[in-house]
Amino acid sequence: DAMVIQNPRYQVTQFGKPVTLSCSQTLNHNVMYWYQQKSSQAPKLLFHYYDKDFNNEADTPDNFQSRRPNTSFCFLDIRSPGLGDAAMYLCATSRDTGAYEQYFGPGTRLTVT
Amino acid sequence: DAKTTQPPSMDCAEGRAANLPCNHSTISGNEYVYWYRQIHSQGPQYIIHGLKNNETNEMASLIITEDRKSSTLILPHATLRDTAVYYCIAADDYKLSFGAGTTVTVRA
Repeated sequence: DAMVIQNPRYQVTQFGKPVTLSCSQTLNHNVMYWYQQKSSQAPKLLFHYYDKDFNNEADTPDNFQSRRPNTSFCFLDIRSPGLGDAAMYLCATSRDTGAYEQYFGPGTRLTVT
Repeated sequence: DAKTTQPPSMDCAEGRAANLPCNHSTISGNEYVYWYRQIHSQGPQYIIHGLKNNETNEMASLIITEDRKSSTLILPHATLRDTAVYYCIAADDYKLSFGAGTTVTVRA
């Protein structure tokens, strides 16, 4: 049974055209994360929500925003995608922010044309 | 978080145990050792984590040295489906800093 679901799996957008990626979870976890993984690189944390509290990583560009309307859903908004934003975007969840394992979704591969 | 060092790649034979080493010589007392793996084009998958004691679950065993400066992940009977990039991460909270990992190829 899927626990962290990401839609769509593949997204193509145009340079500068806003795009939204979605993530949902059936685990009822408090924390939801967004990671960016560029080709042949390791995943890099962009930000996370603890419940409704948003926590941005210091080096995450302003072009990336997030929304979490309820426990189950979290969205990643890229306001003006550039060619350098082409990547796999991974959503993950965890019960809390301590020493808890994170459960990752399958990812959305974003192509910017 | 402490930096971890892993070999870039390793091969192992199907059906044999795979022993994946990780060095974390600067690990602090409250940092856990986590292992995740990422099969090609999929999201990372949690394998196991530990603080001081050795840990075992249905996927793997984690052996941490007494001084905690290194650890070994053991996949007891490797299968072709275990081919993946394996990440060893030292962290004391939610922030997982993924390094380059070890690309493990299981061969028939």
